[in-house]
Amino acid sequence: AQSVTQLGSHVSVSEGALVLLRCNYSSSVPPYLFWYVQYPNQGLQLLLKYTTGATLVKGINGFEAEFKKSETSFHLTKPSAHMSDAAEYFCAVSCYNTDKLIFGTGTRLQVFP
Amino acid sequence: DGGITQSPKYLFRKEGQNVTLSCEQNLNHDAMYWYRQDPGQGLRLIYYSQIVNDFQKGDIAEGYSVSREKKESFPLTVTSAQKNPTAFYLCASSMGQPQETQYFGPGTRLLVL
Repeated sequence: AQSVTQLGSHVSVSEGALVLLRCNYSSSVPPYLFWYVQYPNQGLQLLLKYTTGATLVKGINGFEAEFKKSETSFHLTKPSAHMSDAAEYFCAVSCYNTDKLIFGTGTRLQVFP
Repeated sequence: DGGITQSPKYLFRKEGQNVTLSCEQNLNHDAMYWYRQDPGQGLRLIYYSQIVNDFQKGDIAEGYSVSREKKESFPLTVTSAQKNPTAFYLCASSMGQPQETQYFGPGTRLLVL
């Protein structure tokens, strides 16, 4: 069975600072990995995903994530935080032999001026 | 515009009452999903459907029911058996394969009177 762990339920950064949101997964087969963003009282929007191929994945709004099989990680980064990045971020995993998407518990990002 | 609509945005339930949440998509997606979101717990799968007239229980199906009579529609009924229904409910759809992106609606917040 697959699982996802997001380290840190809350992360605070200053505007212009590096954003790093951590995600580790567990899967006995090659995973498909996703990052979603949720703004207050809204649905989720896909930021980026890894299925196969290049392990460094670029997404919307300047975010990127790197799939590291040896570390079972898929951390989300952005070089310079913007006030509009304040939201909740969810990491999720699936694989070829499942029809479910398993979500982490989320990380709330705060950006201070 | 293609997308997923959920209605109503807010819903109030009285004791012993069944309520139905609407989810409609015009993306021509085969699969549809219902999630429940509680603070600090991420998203938990209630029911999902890969094809019309078929659906499967997710991780927390007790106290809920669904139907899938049309490809575009996947309504969720919260029955009186669900003793703690207060939550944010999210509907999603996808092409059905595990590597495909799930697209989310704006959500319905259910409150108990």
